[in-house]
Amino acid sequence: AQSVTQLGSHVSVSEGALVLLRCNYSSSVPPYLFWYVQYPNQGLQLLLKYTSAATLVKGINGFEAEFKKSETSFHLTKPSAHMSDAAEYFCAVSGSGGSNYKLTFGKGTLLTVNP
Amino acid sequence: SQTIHQWPATLVQPVGSPLSLECTVEGTSNPNLYWYRQAAGRGLQLLFYSVGIGQISSEVPQNLSASRPQDRQFILSSKKLLLSDSGFYLCAWSVLTGTEAFFGQGTRLTVV
Repeated sequence: AQSVTQLGSHVSVSEGALVLLRCNYSSSVPPYLFWYVQYPNQGLQLLLKYTSAATLVKGINGFEAEFKKSETSFHLTKPSAHMSDAAEYFCAVSGSGGSNYKLTFGKGTLLTVNP
Repeated sequence: SQTIHQWPATLVQPVGSPLSLECTVEGTSNPNLYWYRQAAGRGLQLLFYSVGIGQISSEVPQNLSASRPQDRQFILSSKKLLLSDSGFYLCAWSVLTGTEAFFGQGTRLTVV
């Protein structure tokens, strides 16, 4: 069984400020973890993924995430927010080693960037 | 490169009417295919997934069905739509089980 909890359904930051979106997971097998971004009325775009290699993962658009097994977390960060980062962000988990066909998503965090 | 096409982008249908949403993937063979539904504040709910032609797994009991008549074609259907079927439907594909999925642009379905 696996699940994802995203803490905070809505996060608001000022332009240039640090972005921190929180994700905690539960998985009965070593997980693969993902962050996606969704702009209004569009599909989801993959930002980055963790697949048991380096624990600090760098993605597109300046985002990165760190896998912390002891905390069962995979928080998404960006040092300086841009207006274009305003979107909804989803964390997802799957089972590694082909043990699970599908991703389980969190409920999403809406990021607002204020000028 | 691989691409995924999903249509239509928006659809307004009366209650009790049939539904057919189509999704096709190009540039890859034997993909895993998925249909998700997204409701505001509730994240993505996996409806169906398929690992091969004619192989469909349903995640939740509902008024919808899925079919995979060809390797890279995935269809979501309903015989009679309900108001509760309204939502944003997303098709996705992946290369391997448990790896990242790539999404289409989605269909906004409004049942009136």
